Amino acid sequence: NAGVTQTPKFRILKIGQSMTLQCTQDMNHNYMYWYRQDPGMGLKLIYYSVGAGITDKGEVPNGYNVSRSTTEDFPLRLELAAPSQTSVYFCASSYSDRAAGETQYFGPGTRLLVL
Amino acid sequence: QQPVQSPQAVILREGEDAVINCSSSKALYSVHWYRQKHGEAPVFLMILLKGGEQKGHEKISASFNEKKQQSSLYLTASQLSYSGTYFCGTPGTYKYIFGTGTRLKVLA
Repeated sequence: NAGVTQTPKFRILKIGQSMTLQCTQDMNHNYMYWYRQDPGMGLKLIYYSVGAGITDKGEVPNGYNVSRSTTEDFPLRLELAAPSQTSVYFCASSYSDRAAGETQYFGPGTRLLVL
Repeated sequence: QQPVQSPQAVILREGEDAVINCSSSKALYSVHWYRQKHGEAPVFLMILLKGGEQKGHEKISASFNEKKQQSSLYLTASQLSYSGTYFCGTPGTYKYIFGTGTRLKVLA
């Protein structure tokens, strides 16, 4: 099992450009999450999904969009990149949101720099 | 609403013990603990479910007091490999929320 994979590992964007961060998991998890982590700070939830076709906003969704057409994939779209979106983005998945199933497994992260 | 962790940072010598606390202003039903090494993704350590139970992982254990809305992580006889940032996490208003984090550095 590869677990949770993310691409790209690193990207530099110019202000106003758009990009999609890819996330794939092979654990057949229903729940998937996107977090951002600013330097020296904690993790903030951007969006999450409880299953294919179902997504919802987290704490900091502005400037981002997501889709979930399959169980495995949960891409994050950045439209009109801004310097404030410079961060490390982590994708995570969990089997459920109940008890022991809540454990989240994280991908390696995507470092994004917006100049 | 973000759980507050204390201390914010701690420096230890190998073999010393440490306690990291996680306090919430809202009711806690479960608490997770994760460790994140520099430049890496968070890694799950353990989950605490309501009932005041304690869990263990190597020489790391944790307790959960749902009445006090607190959880504590105990690191015993710390090793160099324990260095990193520790986060507690719990279901929150926006599905899931992580604590403020505690940076732990273990020196030889």
